[in-house]
Amino acid sequence: AQTIHQWPVAEIKAVGSPLSLGCTIKGKSSPNLYWYWQATGGTLQQLFYSITVGQVESVVQLNLSASRPKDDQFILSTEKLLLSHSGFYLCAWSPTGGYQDTQYFGPGTRLLVL
Amino acid sequence: AQSVTQPDARVTVSEGASLQLRCKYSYSATPYLFWYVQYPRQGLQLLLKYYSGDPVVQGVNSFEAEFSKSNSSFHLQKASVHWSDSAVYFCALKGSNYQLIWGSGTKLIIKP
Repeated sequence: AQTIHQWPVAEIKAVGSPLSLGCTIKGKSSPNLYWYWQATGGTLQQLFYSITVGQVESVVQLNLSASRPKDDQFILSTEKLLLSHSGFYLCAWSPTGGYQDTQYFGPGTRLLVL
Repeated sequence: AQSVTQPDARVTVSEGASLQLRCKYSYSATPYLFWYVQYPRQGLQLLLKYYSGDPVVQGVNSFEAEFSKSNSSFHLQKASVHWSDSAVYFCALKGSNYQLIWGSGTKLIIKP
């Protein structure tokens, strides 16, 4: 069975400080990977997706960047946090990316920027 | 244009009562539709999905959804809700370029 792990579980960071969030998928080779942002009480906004190692596509940047250094790892980062970065960050994976593909979500990382 | 609308931001039902959460979509081709649930401070869990075939699809935890092409709808239903069903429910539509198009979510509140 596939498992998806996100780290850290929660962060409190200062405005202007750097950030790195991680996501790891086990039990599935070459998954498609996704980053989402969710404002408190809000809907989901897709940020990035990746279909292969080293390749990341941006959907909405929000002054963030993403990288896929390994097949099973997806990293979200920024060098300078803004107050607007606060929220809930979700990583997801899907098997194929084809039309009948289904995304499965990780437990999320809660970020508070002060 | 592709879009998903969940017209009810909040729905309150009594425990044991039946439930319907509404979802309307706009999509020119055959839609691939999902319902996800988000429990407090957790990630999203897939409840069910529909692509083709029987318009009534069964999901986890006794949820089902009915697809209607004529009404452009994909409503979620449950015959008898439990207090543990309290959560936010999201309807989503498969879009292009590896994207899901999300509704704004419906918060379900169960009264004892």
